[in-house]
Amino acid sequence: QKEVEQDPGPLSVPEGAIVSLNCTYSNSAFQYFMWYRQYSRKGPELLMYTYSSGNKEDGRFTAQVDKSSKYISLFIRDSQPSDSATYLCAMSYISGTYKYIFGTGTRLKVLA
Amino acid sequence: KAGVTQTPRYLIKTRGQQVTLSCSPISGHRSVSWYQQTPGQGLQFLFEYFSETQRNKGNFPGRFSGRQFSNSRSEMNVSTLELGDSALYLCASSPTVNTGELFFGEGSRLTVL
Repeated sequence: QKEVEQDPGPLSVPEGAIVSLNCTYSNSAFQYFMWYRQYSRKGPELLMYTYSSGNKEDGRFTAQVDKSSKYISLFIRDSQPSDSATYLCAMSYISGTYKYIFGTGTRLKVLA
Repeated sequence: KAGVTQTPRYLIKTRGQQVTLSCSPISGHRSVSWYQQTPGQGLQFLFEYFSETQRNKGNFPGRFSGRQFSNSRSEMNVSTLELGDSALYLCASSPTVNTGELFFGEGSRLTVL
């Protein structure tokens, strides 16, 4: 079993839709939870960074962390064609050893 | 504020050769990490440097090495290249070590023939 599982998609939605992207993980030691957006032929761009369970909102983006269920989500409201990209979840911890794991990414296409 | 700069952006090498990739972090950032991205394995952590010291290392063979200079710039080297080393190599900088926030460059795309 992979430590971080992410549905690769592709996910196609109409413009204006609410998008829900999810990752599950198996290691309860993870402390930091991140979402990155990666456009084709570009490096990943940090979208959201959270440390604890709960919700964090930034504009049209909301990150949700549920440590009890080992589940994180990213919601995109009023999706735009410019949101079409690959979204990567990531999580990390430092406890004796250091680990920083990325999900495999979900390809999102927002149709105009 | 300038972002993370990686050079070269593209390069082609043959098996057995070695390659050196360069990374200039965001000004003020002292931590630099390196990642390998391939379609099959996704993003995999190579190593992290802070104040010229390797702080963390991923599960890659010794052919992969790196270093950081006093101005926080970093280089990574891959010796005795193999076909499987073809990948996008990404550098990321962070204000400090062992946090989640990474700011990535656009990567160096290495093709090994």
